[in-house]
Amino acid sequence: EVQLVESGGALIQPGGSLRLSCAASGFTFSRYAMTWVRQAPGKGLEWISVISIGGGMTFYADSVKGRFTISRDNSMDTLFLQMNSLRAGDTAVYFCAKVSLGSFGEINYFDLWGQGTLVTVSS
Amino acid sequence: QSALTQPASVSGSPGQSITISCFGTSSDIGSYDFVSWYQQHPDKAPKLIIFDVNHRPSGVSTRFSGSKSGNTASLTISGLRPEDDADYYCSSYSGTTTHVFGTGTSVTVL
Repeated sequence: EVQLVESGGALIQPGGSLRLSCAASGFTFSRYAMTWVRQAPGKGLEWISVISIGGGMTFYADSVKGRFTISRDNSMDTLFLQMNSLRAGDTAVYFCAKVSLGSFGEINYFDLWGQGTLVTVSS
Repeated sequence: QSALTQPASVSGSPGQSITISCFGTSSDIGSYDFVSWYQQHPDKAPKLIIFDVNHRPSGVSTRFSGSKSGNTASLTISGLRPEDDADYYCSSYSGTTTHVFGTGTSVTVL
């Protein structure tokens, strides 16, 4: 079955760190760019980061730049999101998704999503 | 990286057609045909329903269609059904290797 399964969400205190994982199956993970999107409770979707096929290129939304790090292990078919200096505003469900790129590497659309993992930042 | 603007809610009766607008800028929708739409039911993951402005993924109903004019993209749902009751988000490539979503529209089938 083609799927993405996130894990690692938890209740964490402000200033803390957390690492999310996204396990891929049913498709050739190493052939696709991957992304993280989050959704605060009752709010809309927010794109936060993307990583290239080999992992050599990464890009971030301004809201997480310098605090979050996206990475991947193609031998394990797994995507990661390392989150540091967490704030209350980072409370959200975090989704990983498979990316379809444009001809020149543009982040086009997301055609496979995981079910999400909840991160709650609170003291 | 400001969010694209969508109406907060749209409603319609079964069988009717509705259109959701997505207002962007010349830096995103106006410059690229990388516009996509997602449907999200409560407590579920988003689902891709339109990509490249007006293309449907395999398995998505032909009742969903997309278009674009200038800085504005639109999603039309024809022959509204109860199962279309959901949130809908537009999105676009926004240059400099970033991506932006719309504010989201709640569709209510009356």
